[in-house]
Amino acid sequence: GAVVSQHPSWVICKSGTSVKIECRSLDFQATTMFWYRQFPKQSLMLMATSNEGSKATYEQGVEKDKFLINHASLTLSTLTVTSAHPEDSSFYICSASPTSGVRGETQYFGPGTRLLVL
Amino acid sequence: AQTVTQSQPEMSVQEAETVTLSCTYDTSESDYYLFWYKQPPSRQMILVIRQEAYKQQNATENRFSVNFQKAAKSFSLKISDSQLGDAAMYFCAYRAGSSNTGKLIFGQGTTLQVKP
Repeated sequence: GAVVSQHPSWVICKSGTSVKIECRSLDFQATTMFWYRQFPKQSLMLMATSNEGSKATYEQGVEKDKFLINHASLTLSTLTVTSAHPEDSSFYICSASPTSGVRGETQYFGPGTRLLVL
Repeated sequence: AQTVTQSQPEMSVQEAETVTLSCTYDTSESDYYLFWYKQPPSRQMILVIRQEAYKQQNATENRFSVNFQKAAKSFSLKISDSQLGDAAMYFCAYRAGSSNTGKLIFGQGTTLQVKP
């Protein structure tokens, strides 16, 4: 089956520092990847859609300068939380859509990254 | 704009019994997909079942089945013979179109407790 990894799985950082989260599709190519944020016992909130070789499309209310997304290859997208503050503490999940996707195929999700900003 | 609503924040079921989770959605599109995802305590999202809007037949995956009522814009999930491993948060999701690059719109989620 299609596997998506995220690294790191857990990160603690000081307020004001930047944190980079990697999302990799391990056994397929993904032109499109998605980044979500999830608070405890809440739903997934889409932050942005990442397309390989082009700028990400951010959802309304998401600060693009705060959450930098780079999709430099067909298997890797990165989310950088710049100048992190405690309110950025959350669970971040990525998903990837296979480039060779068939009709009806869905996204494959990574295991998530837990970010704690002190 | 498309919306997905799950009106049951929490549900509980006795082991081996059957439970139904509700989901309604709103869209003006004719081509779309609906999904149920499971998120166990590990927080890994797992696809449970999918339904194509054009197909009238309800999707089934082993103990999981859906009741897709297109006119009513309702998409409920039935879990039969509930097992302890079914305990998780369940999300209903909508995607416009057939392309897998379309974004998913999630409902608020329903936490399912399975009692032994």
